[in-house]
Amino acid sequence: QLQMQESGSGLVKASQTLSLTCAVSGGSITSGAYPWGWIRRPPGKGLEWIGYIYHSGSTYYNPSLKSRVTMSVDMSKNQFSLKLSSVTAADTAVYYCVRGAVAHFDYWGQGTLVTVSS
Amino acid sequence: QSVLTQPPSASGTPGQRVTISCSGSSSNIGSNYVYWYQQLPGTAPKLLIYWNNQRPSGVPDRFSGSKSGTSASLAISGLRSEDEADYHCAAWDDSLTGVVFGGGTKVTVL
Repeated sequence: QLQMQESGSGLVKASQTLSLTCAVSGGSITSGAYPWGWIRRPPGKGLEWIGYIYHSGSTYYNPSLKSRVTMSVDMSKNQFSLKLSSVTAADTAVYYCVRGAVAHFDYWGQGTLVTVSS
Repeated sequence: QSVLTQPPSASGTPGQRVTISCSGSSSNIGSNYVYWYQQLPGTAPKLLIYWNNQRPSGVPDRFSGSKSGTSASLAISGLRSEDEADYHCAAWDDSLTGVVFGGGTKVTVL
C-alpha cells in the first residue's frame, strides 16, 4: 500500500521560502505514469491545487502560484519537494502531497500545517 | 473565490438522501471529468468519485455522482453519522490549464 508523508518547516517568516518534502513508501516514485504533487487548504477555505511533477521533470503549476513555485523529484530518495517563495499570510495552510494527474488524486499524505508569521 | 461553486453546507437526518451541487463552466465541468473528495474532520481528503460517477474500491454505493452540462452533483443516500464531513468537487480547467476545486460543502447529520 502506497504511503506518503510530508515533512518540513511548520513556521515560515513572511517573504521567505516555504520548503516541504514528501517521502513515498510502498512503491517507487518512478513506477507508472503518475505525477506527484501538492494541494493545500487554508484555514476556513476550500482546497487549492498547487501543481504536480512527473519523475521525468515535467511540471504543471497553478497559474496563480507559478511565479513562486518550484517542484523537484529525488528518485534516489523516493521523494519529491515543494518550494514556495516570497510567502505571505495567505500561504498559511495545511499542505498535502498527492499522487495523481488532472483532478484524479488517489493517494494523499496526512497533511502538514505551515504557518506564515510576520 | 473558487472556480467551481458549491453550497457551503447541507444537512439531513439519518437515512435521508442529501444532494450536493457543483457548478462550473464549459472550460471545466462542461468538457472534463468531475471528481469528488470526502474530508472527514482532521483527516486528509479521500477520493470518493472519479470520472463523474465511478466509485473507487471500498466506497459504499450510497455515494453516487452525476454530471449534466456544466454542473455536477453528489448524492448520499441512507445518510449515516459517519458521513459528516466536508465534500469537495474538482475538475481540470482547459482555460486555466490547471485543476480547479469547489469551495467545499460541509455535510451535517442532524
